[in-house]
Amino acid sequence: KAGVTQTPRYLIKTRGQQVTLSCSPISGHRSVSWYQQTPGQGLQFLFEYFSETQRNKGNFPGRFSGRQFSNSRSEMNVSTLELGDSALYLCASSFGQGGGTEAFFGQGTRLTVV
Amino acid sequence: QQQVKQSPQSLIVQKGGISIINCAYENTAFDYFPWYQQFPGKGPALLIAIRPDVSEKKEGRFTISFNKSAKQFSLHIMDSQPGDSATYFCAASFSYNTDKLIFGTGTRLQVFP
Repeated sequence: KAGVTQTPRYLIKTRGQQVTLSCSPISGHRSVSWYQQTPGQGLQFLFEYFSETQRNKGNFPGRFSGRQFSNSRSEMNVSTLELGDSALYLCASSFGQGGGTEAFFGQGTRLTVV
Repeated sequence: QQQVKQSPQSLIVQKGGISIINCAYENTAFDYFPWYQQFPGKGPALLIAIRPDVSEKKEGRFTISFNKSAKQFSLHIMDSQPGDSATYFCAASFSYNTDKLIFGTGTRLQVFP
């Protein structure tokens, strides 16, 4: 079956702009989680959506937001971009049953803020 | 405490050797512990996972050892191969209504022929 698809793969944005990243989960998966990966901070949890509802949120400023659609596809938005937002943004999908459901990651979107 | 501490940061192993990566946690509410492998330019891929009611799980050359009382778990890669060269992340999750993963800081493994 098709894996998790993230688009676009690469993005270059200017400070102050906003950006929207997209994630299409594996068919049948209802949970989508987003992570930020940087060399300094590693993999950090941003938020999790299940059945169009945000189920959990990490410690990121309100500039980071997300949503999930009825087909389980998810988008995350970052407004007023800062240089420090440059990172690999990963989404993971799972069935959403919690506590040990296998999570499958996409290849990520590499965001560069200049 | 929701941290997962991982060591070493980097590891160099000869082909055919055993690679060992260790992780420790504080929160006893964690009850799912997966290991992920990540190659450059790719997303993390699930390797193997374990729950606290099991002390060891083996899948091919990969084994997780789990010590509940010490709140530690480790990944052993037997007969390490150059193709195993990647970054490995341990993680932990809760059993209640979330799939949120808390990751360790990663171990960069290099296997030389």
